[in-house]
Amino acid sequence: GENVEQHPSTLSVQEGDSAVIKCTYSDSASNYFPWYKQELGKRPQLIIDIRSNVGEKKDQRIAVTLNKTAKHFSLHITETQPEDSAVYFCAANGGSARQLTFGSGTQLTVLP
Amino acid sequence: EAGVTQFPSHSVIEKGQTVTLRCDPISGHDNLYWYRRVMGKEIKFLLHFVKESKQDESGMPNNRFLAERTGGTYSTLKVQPAELEDSGVYFCASSQQTTGELFFGEGSRLTVL
Repeated sequence: GENVEQHPSTLSVQEGDSAVIKCTYSDSASNYFPWYKQELGKRPQLIIDIRSNVGEKKDQRIAVTLNKTAKHFSLHITETQPEDSAVYFCAANGGSARQLTFGSGTQLTVLP
Repeated sequence: EAGVTQFPSHSVIEKGQTVTLRCDPISGHDNLYWYRRVMGKEIKFLLHFVKESKQDESGMPNNRFLAERTGGTYSTLKVQPAELEDSGVYFCASSQQTTGELFFGEGSRLTVL
């Protein structure tokens, strides 16, 4: 099956700085890589995703990069704001059943 | 449009008791998933329904867990008898397509004492 590793587990940045979260996956057949954000006490919500036919996707202050050769993908948040504080999960759809396998999450804290 | 709803939001039970969690997916979503997050670890897949059929239940921990989706609408996840290691947050998610965006519920936090 698929195995997704996510680092770091916790990340603190100053407001306005950039934050980078990295994930690796094991199944080279994976072709869909979403990122979910879970604010305290709320449900996980999709913030951005990328498919294997592109190497980078950007949406305002959020970007995701994908390196298929190395089997890793990253989330980049620029000009961080306090409301970016949350747990972020990466996922990949590898494995025989193509279900989403999630990473262990990164607790991002943006310090004012 | 109503999102995915889960009930209860929090359940505290003693070891050996039974708990039933319920999930109402977004109307029209054939795909329904159950996930669990234990002690700050990954959101781990439990099983996947397509309408009323179990498409994949490879993530179910053992036979103490029983999921149903009668009529292809809401789903229930029963844990009987509950053990300490079953504590965690159980998420339900639904989607229109198998490879599309998952819409999560707010989760049901289960605490087994």
